[in-house]
Amino acid sequence: GESVGLHLPTLSVQEGDNSIINCAYSNSASDYFIWYKQESGKGPQFIIDIRSNMDKRQGQRVTVLLNKTVKHLSLQIAATQPGDSAVYFCAENETGGFKTIFGAGTRLFVKA
Amino acid sequence: DAEITQSPRHKITETGRQVTLACHQTWNHNNMFWYRQDLGHGLRLIHYSYGVQDTNKGEVSDGYSVSRSNTEDLPLTLESAASSQTSVYFCASSDDAGTDTQYFGPGTRLTVL
Repeated sequence: GESVGLHLPTLSVQEGDNSIINCAYSNSASDYFIWYKQESGKGPQFIIDIRSNMDKRQGQRVTVLLNKTVKHLSLQIAATQPGDSAVYFCAENETGGFKTIFGAGTRLFVKA
Repeated sequence: DAEITQSPRHKITETGRQVTLACHQTWNHNNMFWYRQDLGHGLRLIHYSYGVQDTNKGEVSDGYSVSRSNTEDLPLTLESAASSQTSVYFCASSDDAGTDTQYFGPGTRLTVL
C-alpha cells in the first residue's frame, strides 16, 4: 500500500493511556485548523477541526487545543487503542484561501 | 454513500511516457485538489480546481496538468514522466460551505523507471 514517511517524529504509548500529539503552525493569519489521521495504505482521514475563535474542541475520544499566542496546536486521544496507530498531521488554512498547509506528521505507535 | 476514488492504485511507467491518473468524487464538491506525498516533504499541492473549467497551479505544478470538464472528475496528467515524479498521489475534494475540510482518496502509487 501507499506508505508515509519513515523518518517522522514518533510517539509510542501503551494501550489505554492518553496520547498527546503536538503541532506548530506557521501562518499567524490561519484561522482554521484540522487534524488528519493517515493509516498505512490509505489516504488522510479527517478527525477533528477547530476555528481560531475557540481554544478547545472535543470529539469522540479526541480533543484539539489551540494556542494562538504561540501558534501551537495539539491533539489529545483518550484511552488510546491499537486502531489509533497511524500518522497524524495537522493542517492550517486561512479563510478565503483554499491552499491548506499540511504539517509533516507524527507517527503514533500503540503498544498492546 | 458519497466517496472519492482514484485509479489506478498502482502504476509503473517509463521515463518520457504520458500518464493520466483519475480522480472521481460523488460528493458533488466544487473544489478538487491533487497532492503528492514524498518522504521528508509531507503533502504538496500540485493543482487545484474551484469548479468546472477552473484550474490553478499549486506549489509543485511543473510537469503536471489537470482539466475539469465536469464536477465529478479531475484527472492529473504527467505529460512526459520523469523519475522525480515517482511518488504517492492523493486527490481530495471539499465543498463551499466554509468548512474547508478536504476529503481524500486512497492514493495512487506511481513509479517512473
